[in-house]
Amino acid sequence: AQSVTQLGSHVSVSEGALVLLRCNYSSSVPPYLFWYVQYPNQGLQLLLKYTSAATLVKGINGFEAEFKKSETSFHLTKPSAHMSDAAEYFCAVSGLRGFQKLVFGTGTRLLVSP
Amino acid sequence: GAVVSQHPSWVICKSGTSVKIECRSLDFQATTMFWYRQFPKQSLMLMATSNEGSKATYEQGVEKDKFLINHASLTLSTLTVTSAHPEDSSFYICSARGETGNQPQHFGDGTRLSIL
Repeated sequence: AQSVTQLGSHVSVSEGALVLLRCNYSSSVPPYLFWYVQYPNQGLQLLLKYTSAATLVKGINGFEAEFKKSETSFHLTKPSAHMSDAAEYFCAVSGLRGFQKLVFGTGTRLLVSP
Repeated sequence: GAVVSQHPSWVICKSGTSVKIECRSLDFQATTMFWYRQFPKQSLMLMATSNEGSKATYEQGVEKDKFLINHASLTLSTLTVTSAHPEDSSFYICSARGETGNQPQHFGDGTRLSIL
């Protein structure tokens, strides 16, 4: 079974500051891990994915995440926040090389102030 | 690439009516499609998984007679909410995945369903 814990339902940063959204996972099999972003009244857009290749994964819009097996973490970072980054972010895990269903975290709302 | 189109984006209807939501993969063949429900300010809850040409697999607690899912082709899945009631009001999102397991799910833009 898989599960995901996202620490912090809300994260506030100033424009230009570092963005760090935390995600810890639990999985009984080697996990596939994903970060998705959701803007109001829209579906989810894939930011990046980890599929057992490189542990540092680069995604769209300047985001990246690092898979740390020893810490069971897959935190999302961006060096400099933009106002347009304000959205809901979901971490998700899947097992069996991606064939299993996605299990989502509860989401973290990123707020960016000028 | 990997575009998923969901229609309609917003629907308001009276209690007791049935509502059909379509999910189409526009530029790839989706062997598996997923239907989620999302309550305000909450995460996505998987309702069912459908594979083309076979019956959908419903998650525990989801009424299969209430939420009818059809995946008749590799590019189209439909969710019909039968005899909808106000408690069925929610944001419904579909996703689609291609043939290989390491392909991520691609999501539609969701359907806001409001039952009066």
